[in-house]
Amino acid sequence: DAGITQSPRHKVTETGTPVTLRCHQTENHRYMYWYRQDPGHGLRLIHYSYGVKDTDKGEVSDGYSVSRSKTEDFLLTLESATSSQTSVYFCAIIAGEVQYFGPGTRLTVL
Amino acid sequence: SQQGEEDPQALSIQEGENATMNCSYKTSINNLQWYRQNSGRGLVHLILIRSNEREKHSGRLRVTLDTSKKSSSLLITASRAADTASYFCATDVGNQFYFGTGTSLTVIP
Repeated sequence: DAGITQSPRHKVTETGTPVTLRCHQTENHRYMYWYRQDPGHGLRLIHYSYGVKDTDKGEVSDGYSVSRSKTEDFLLTLESATSSQTSVYFCAIIAGEVQYFGPGTRLTVL
Repeated sequence: SQQGEEDPQALSIQEGENATMNCSYKTSINNLQWYRQNSGRGLVHLILIRSNEREKHSGRLRVTLDTSKKSSSLLITASRAADTASYFCATDVGNQFYFGTGTSLTVIP
């Protein structure tokens, strides 16, 4: 698992509330990614980071923000959660040319 | 969207048979990778093929790549019940990865 953990693993929240998901890695990898996985869509990139304080948008970034103040932590924030953001969220890193994934966070927005 | 498509969406075979799944993508790539996902888990890397390669083998896996058609195929030979999972292709475009929609494989013992 390349030392990747995600927290929380499960969360239920209400529409309009802020939510922050955390990805933590222990092996000092430069690149970190946030994806969402939905039935029929596979994995879609939300944001990624290529270093501390260096981030860029993916193809489904609307409604999400990220921060990376330390190499080991990459935070994904939903400023005001909506039901369309109900999904499974995966964090990943790159080692060599291969991505390694965290265990995922299942988020339900009611 | 730069996301790829996989075909078929679902595949059910008997143990011992071969399973073939296909991936089409939209852009020029550095490499193409295949990943496997067991239910409720994160994706696990299986095999990588570079844009200048046409075929690659790893154990019971065989991957082909046709860059002129922007397509790839994954063959799993002599399938086992433990191969039951979803399989995704992913294209590497400058450190951004675009995943296909996945093929759900069921291997019946």
